Amino acid sequence: DGGITQSPKYLFRKEGQNVTLSCEQNLNHDAMYWYRQDPGQGLRLIYYSQIVNDFQKGDIAEGYSVSREKKESFPLTVTSAQKNPTAFYLCASSVRDTQYFGPGTRLTVL
Amino acid sequence: QKEVEQNSGPLSVPEGAIASLNCTYSDRGSQSFFWYRQYSGKSPELIMSIYSNGDKEDGRFTAQLNKASQYVSLLIRDSQPSDSATYLCAVIEGSNYKLTFGKGTLLTVNP
Repeated sequence: DGGITQSPKYLFRKEGQNVTLSCEQNLNHDAMYWYRQDPGQGLRLIYYSQIVNDFQKGDIAEGYSVSREKKESFPLTVTSAQKNPTAFYLCASSVRDTQYFGPGTRLTVL
Repeated sequence: QKEVEQNSGPLSVPEGAIASLNCTYSDRGSQSFFWYRQYSGKSPELIMSIYSNGDKEDGRFTAQLNKASQYVSLLIRDSQPSDSATYLCAVIEGSNYKLTFGKGTLLTVNP
């Protein structure tokens, strides 16, 4: 069953903690992306990776970090430096220019 | 700064009517255009892509592109209550495959 999985679905974090969001795909897509969505806002690009062991900052990378050690996996770490991390986080992968999204992780900072 | 603009709505139409969703973009170099549907609390799902001027039809959905006017639209014929969702317009410029999203238009289809 091919697709993109994200875990956990809901995540609660205390202020000052780092947390890591998982994104896995078995679609054999080369490129993967992380977006953030706030209420009433469009999706904003955090990081993207077009190939294993390479990634680039998006529009709002401050306070986030990523790795791409395997084609299937693109985890996102939300660090304590991110001032307002409460949001809906979406992972996507693409074949050529068409992106497909995972189900998302809703992060809440307590 | 590349921008994609959509009317935030809400756009309310009766069941069976045609819903028309509009999007304008700022970058004349844009090559690829996408419409996503997002139900409340869920992730976006791809409805259609369009690359050339004119119309592209897929079932009840028709995407329209006018590059000269920097305008892309989505028509939904025979609207159903299940079409009630936020519709996101997204645009790619060049070959870097980075999508720029509009903020979305909330569509409500009334039974």
